[in-house]
Amino acid sequence: DAGVTQSPTHLIKTRGQQVTLRCSPKSGHDTVSWYQQALGQGPQFIFQYYEEEERQRGNFPDRFSGHQFPNYSSELNVNALLLGDSALYLCASSKGLAISYEQYFGPGTRLTVT
Amino acid sequence: AQTVTQSQPEMSVQEAETVTLSCTYDTSENNYYLFWYKQPPSRQMILVIRQEAYKQQNATENRFSVNFQKAAKSFSLKISDSQLGDTAMYFCALEAYGGSQGNLIFGKGTKLSVKP
Repeated sequence: DAGVTQSPTHLIKTRGQQVTLRCSPKSGHDTVSWYQQALGQGPQFIFQYYEEEERQRGNFPDRFSGHQFPNYSSELNVNALLLGDSALYLCASSKGLAISYEQYFGPGTRLTVT
Repeated sequence: AQTVTQSQPEMSVQEAETVTLSCTYDTSENNYYLFWYKQPPSRQMILVIRQEAYKQQNATENRFSVNFQKAAKSFSLKISDSQLGDTAMYFCALEAYGGSQGNLIFGKGTKLSVKP
C-alpha cells in the first residue's frame, strides 16, 4: 500500500521565480492538506483540498495556490518566490474531512530559494 | 485563535529510561483532538498517539501514553523504556471541530535524544 508521495525531493529556485510541488495521497484517501515547515519550526497549515476545491486556508498570501485533480493528487504553486519561502513543504492526506480521520504525511519537498 | 506551546526545545534521556514531553494548548472549541507526531531525522512525520477531548481516559499506545488535563489545557507525552529509535523531533498538535477541521495546529517541537 503506497503511502503519501511527494515530488520533487529537493528544489532550488531563485527569488521571483515560480515553483510547483506535487503530492499523491495515500491509496483510498481523497483529502489533501499542505503545510510549510520552516527550519526549526513546527508545520504551518497552508490549505486543504477536497473534491477538487479549496476547503480551508491558513494565513498565507495569494502567492500560494493549489489544485486537486480528479485522481485526488494535488499541486502546490508558489509565485514570486521570496527568500522566506525556503522551507520543507509537507503534504498530508486523509479519507474525508472528518476530524477523526488521521492525516498521513509525505516525506516533504525541501525548497531552497536563493 | 488556537495555539499550541511546547516549552522544552530539547530533551535527552538514557536508553530504557522514561521521559515526559510537555505541551499546553488553547482553544475556544469544546470538541477537538490532540496529537503527538514524531519526525525522525530526514524521515517523514508519523502519528504517535491521539486523544479525543471528550474522552476522559488517557490514550496509550504501547510504550507511549499521554496525560490529558482538559481543565488545565495540558497534554503531555510519556515515553517508557526509551529506545534509540525514539530519537526524533516530537510535535504536539491540535485539530478542532467547526471551521478548523483539517487544520492541524502544531507546536514548535521538542528534540528528543535517546542516549545509549
